[in-house]
Amino acid sequence: DAKTTQPPSMDCAEGRAANLPCNHSTISGNEYVYWYRQIHSQGPQYIIHGLKNNETNEMASLIITEDRKSSTLILPHATLRDTAVYYCIVRVLNDYKLSFGAGTTVTVRA
Amino acid sequence: DAGITQSPRYKITETGRQVTLMCHQTWSHSYMFWYRQDLGHGLRLIYYSAAADITDKGEVPDGYVVSRSKTENFPLTLESATRSQTSVYFCASSDSPLAGGKYTQYFGPGTRLTVL
Repeated sequence: DAKTTQPPSMDCAEGRAANLPCNHSTISGNEYVYWYRQIHSQGPQYIIHGLKNNETNEMASLIITEDRKSSTLILPHATLRDTAVYYCIVRVLNDYKLSFGAGTTVTVRA
Repeated sequence: DAGITQSPRYKITETGRQVTLMCHQTWSHSYMFWYRQDLGHGLRLIYYSAAADITDKGEVPDGYVVSRSKTENFPLTLESATRSQTSVYFCASSDSPLAGGKYTQYFGPGTRLTVL
């Protein structure tokens, strides 16, 4: 019972913005959207999370649609080091569980 | 100030041997987790701990034992290793999920375990 749907893979050009979509059409009002990434052979790395407002930090921006059924992670200027598997995760408020699905394999090309 | 560390980073062992994987965090996080990652299965939770001396099973606990006598350490033991336990193991830590919107899990670099 996957809570999120992501494309299996996508390419983007170095220096361009990378827009990673995620569908979470069954999300509830008390569920957050989290993004992690995993660079090859490393541990997952937290990127950003949000509830309903758009969020931005030094790594990325998170855009959540008004109905909260989908979101987009934006890497503003992709570099080769951004090549990784990106996971979109829905987490229930006050619950420790983070369920990692298959994610999107993002390849940044020079 | 390493945050969360795991040791060893690589381990080869034989079927039937006992193996302990170590995890240490310097943030004084109350929660700690052990995951395994296999091709085709993604990350799966083995055990977690909400505080020292409090542990609980995750999704795939069979064949593993954990303990948490100190807040900063969370060792994972395979009492009698099997080939099916060949995997990459990740430790993670976090504040209490009751921290609300600020909750985040931070992961270690992983231990690659091969059971021959």
